[in-house]
Amino acid sequence: ELKVEQNPLFLSMQEGKNYTIYCNYSTTSDRLYWYRQDPGKSLESLFVLLSNGAVKQEGRLMASLDTKARLSTLHITAAVHDLSATYFCAVDMLTSGSRLTFGEGTQLTVNP
Amino acid sequence: NAGVMQNPRHLVRRRGQEARLRCSPMKGHSHVYWYRQLPEEGLKFMVYLQKENIIDESGMPKERFSAEFPKEGPSILRIQQVVRGDSAAYFCASSPRARGTTNEKLFFGSGTQLSVL
Repeated sequence: ELKVEQNPLFLSMQEGKNYTIYCNYSTTSDRLYWYRQDPGKSLESLFVLLSNGAVKQEGRLMASLDTKARLSTLHITAAVHDLSATYFCAVDMLTSGSRLTFGEGTQLTVNP
Repeated sequence: NAGVMQNPRHLVRRRGQEARLRCSPMKGHSHVYWYRQLPEEGLKFMVYLQKENIIDESGMPKERFSAEFPKEGPSILRIQQVVRGDSAAYFCASSPRARGTTNEKLFFGSGTQLSVL
């Protein structure tokens, strides 16, 4: 059974600081996703990572994938308050066809 | 192009009642997925449907839960005889085609928060 673990689960940081969220998964995966969820809202797709060494950046967020270590990171640079949200990673395999397996989520709070 | 629409946003039921959750996928999307999110947890896959067909229901509880996606109209997730443990946020997602061999993104709705009293 595919398992996905994120850490930390809760993260409180000051504006302007950098930090990294980690996502480990238990078996070989074909695709890894990062989503953002604001309270009471839908999930917003941030990144899709497909291959070992993939790196994608959007604004202050950068995601990377190491398939050998079964690890993805979401790096936050110079955090701002607007980044406060819950961030989920999710993985799937082509053989699974449809299902995404999500991590528990990291609740990020950026303090002024 | 409206996104994935779910209704109601909030649903309150007493134990033993039925809950019906609706999901209208994005225009042109014929694949629908239901996920459940318990408090402080990630989303858990429940079921994957195409028009008039259930493709993968491996995440659905064996009893009381059913889903359909008719030729016309929204997808429905139905929970019979609800219990307190069914209280959760239920999210629907859609994609234009099967994701198994593509990199199709899933587009999520805003969810239905079910509360069982």
